[in-house]
Amino acid sequence: DTAVSQTPKYLVTQMGNDKSIKCEQNLGHDTMYWYKQDSKKFLKIMFSYNNKELIINETVPNRFSPKSPDKAHLNLHINSLELGDSAVYFCASSLGPPMGTDTQYFGPGTRLTVL
Amino acid sequence: SQQGEEDPQALSIQEGENATMNCSYKTSINNLQWYRQNSGRGLVHLILIRSNEREKHSGRLRVTLDTSKKSSSLLITASRAADTASYFCATVPNTGNQFYFGTGTSLTVIP
Repeated sequence: DTAVSQTPKYLVTQMGNDKSIKCEQNLGHDTMYWYKQDSKKFLKIMFSYNNKELIINETVPNRFSPKSPDKAHLNLHINSLELGDSAVYFCASSLGPPMGTDTQYFGPGTRLTVL
Repeated sequence: SQQGEEDPQALSIQEGENATMNCSYKTSINNLQWYRQNSGRGLVHLILIRSNEREKHSGRLRVTLDTSKKSSSLLITASRAADTASYFCATVPNTGNQFYFGTGTSLTVIP
């Protein structure tokens, strides 16, 4: 069984559209994250939730809105998509509080292409 | 930026050789972690070394940490074609709750 899963795996859409990426973890972890990896493989954290509470909110345009209906799910909604949003988005989870000494488990990624 | 930097950016070796990657960072850390990313896949945790540790082993992996130089190295011994991937270091600073990934080293192991 997949520990951290994301849907969709690929997403191709037009500029200006609104889209969502879903993430689920079945590890019983308390903390979930969203990362963005650009074309140069630079990986940057966007958000972190601990027990459904927003903990880390990096400098990300407010067009990006995370939503955590429960601690096993952290979805990412993006409004008014722009060309620069094209990237691979990774969801991850860890057992304890954000950025502690726990290992992070990553999902397979969602490749978003904005045309 | 507090992002770590890896060196080299790309490394190509023959199967059986050892591969060494280096990571430098800027702030005092609680721990440093190494991750592997196969092409088109998510990151996989390899090893964690705490700031009070100097060396750690896991199978064919050996990680060293020099906090005075703010650097770490990852050594993969007796490399295999399956080791071909990108390798990232990630640092957890003492202060705050951030988690910074390095720029990655792309390793190619030629069979």
